Amino acid sequence: GNSVTQMEGPVTLSEEAFLTINCTYTATGYPSLFWYVQYPGEGLQLLLKATKADDKGSNKGFEATYRKETTSFHLEKGSVQVSDSAVYFCALSVRGSQGNLIFGKGTKLSVKP
Amino acid sequence: EAQVTQNPRYLITVTGKKLTVTCSQNMNHEYMSWYRQDPGLGLRQIYYSMNVEVTDKGDVPEGYKVSRKEKRNFPLILESPSPNQTSLYFCASSLSGVSGYTFGSGTRLTVV
Repeated sequence: GNSVTQMEGPVTLSEEAFLTINCTYTATGYPSLFWYVQYPGEGLQLLLKATKADDKGSNKGFEATYRKETTSFHLEKGSVQVSDSAVYFCALSVRGSQGNLIFGKGTKLSVKP
Repeated sequence: EAQVTQNPRYLITVTGKKLTVTCSQNMNHEYMSWYRQDPGLGLRQIYYSMNVEVTDKGDVPEGYKVSRKEKRNFPLILESPSPNQTSLYFCASSLSGVSGYTFGSGTRLTVV
């Protein structure tokens, strides 16, 4: 089946630290991969996506590369800010799976000044 | 502004009293979906729709109904709510499913 595994949180960093949130997946077809972010009290926002192997998604200083050989889509940011504090979800969708978005459990990030 | 609009944002109700959570999108998206978010369980799909009059069950459909009579609207119906349906609910829409979903702001439902 299709599934997403992401690192457990919470993750606490100081401002300007480097961020990595690991995400690995299993999929029966060719998935598109996503990172969503949920700020406190809000809905999910699409942060970035990649639709095929070796694609790099990027947005707001965040990056993730679709690695088919390691079935991974790790989220990175070179210098986090307090405003990046949120819950981050890795997700996948497989063409032909009725558009179902499979989520990881989420990783809570707290950034301290 | 392109968006998914859910109403209400907050709802407290009693066991057994039928309720409807509305969802509307203005992006002409084909795909729409309902998720619930629970601590420790993450986000789970309740129902989805790939087009008008085409709906199907997701991972946790028990106790819920949906309809897709027009492209823009996808209401979630709880015929007889129970306390285990207390949760945060999200509606989402997508052009193609694999292109990424746009989420609504959520509906926090409490069933007492």
